[in-house]
Amino acid sequence: RKEVEQDPGPFNVPEGATVAFNCTYSNSASQSFFWYRQDCRKEPKLLMSVYSSGNEDGRFTAQLNRASQYISLLIRDSKLSDSATYLCVVNVNYGQNFVFGPGTRLSVLP
Amino acid sequence: ETGVTQSPTHLIKTRGQQVTLRCSSQSGHNTVSWYQQALGQGPQFIFQYYREEENGRGNFPPRFSGLQFPNYSSELNVNALELDDSALYLCASSRLRGGTGELFFGEGSRLTVL
Repeated sequence: RKEVEQDPGPFNVPEGATVAFNCTYSNSASQSFFWYRQDCRKEPKLLMSVYSSGNEDGRFTAQLNRASQYISLLIRDSKLSDSATYLCVVNVNYGQNFVFGPGTRLSVLP
Repeated sequence: ETGVTQSPTHLIKTRGQQVTLRCSSQSGHNTVSWYQQALGQGPQFIFQYYREEENGRGNFPPRFSGLQFPNYSSELNVNALELDDSALYLCASSRLRGGTGELFFGEGSRLTVL
């Protein structure tokens, strides 16, 4: 089993739609959790950290369920500019090995 | 811009050759991590350098080696190149101990092995 697994994509959604991405991780000792965004042929960039209590940043909401070892990302009111690959990232040894999932590609269509 | 620069941006090598990739970290960051990203995959952790010492390594063979210099810049060396080494190599700088945990990536070096 891979350390971090994500929904296989791609997701093709119309503008304005709500889309949810799911991620599971295998190492129960994981300490910190993130969503990164990677545009085509660009480097990954931090979208948001994920906290145990859940957190929101504008149209983006992240949830963490430690018991189920599950992370989610919800995007509301999708924009064309949200088209990218979304990478779920888990860190076991704080600051050291960040384990990336394979990514889920999102295309928001006009 | 993240302030992390990598060179070269693209290069082509043949099987069995050696390659050196370079990375300058963001000002104030003391840690550099290297990742390999194959097409359609997420980045895979190669190793991390903190204060010029290797501080963790992923599941890569010894022919992948690295260095970190006193100014925190870093090199990734790959010997005896194989076709499967063709990938985007990403350098990420961060601040271990006292940082937010965020990784700041350079734009990567795209290596093609023929």
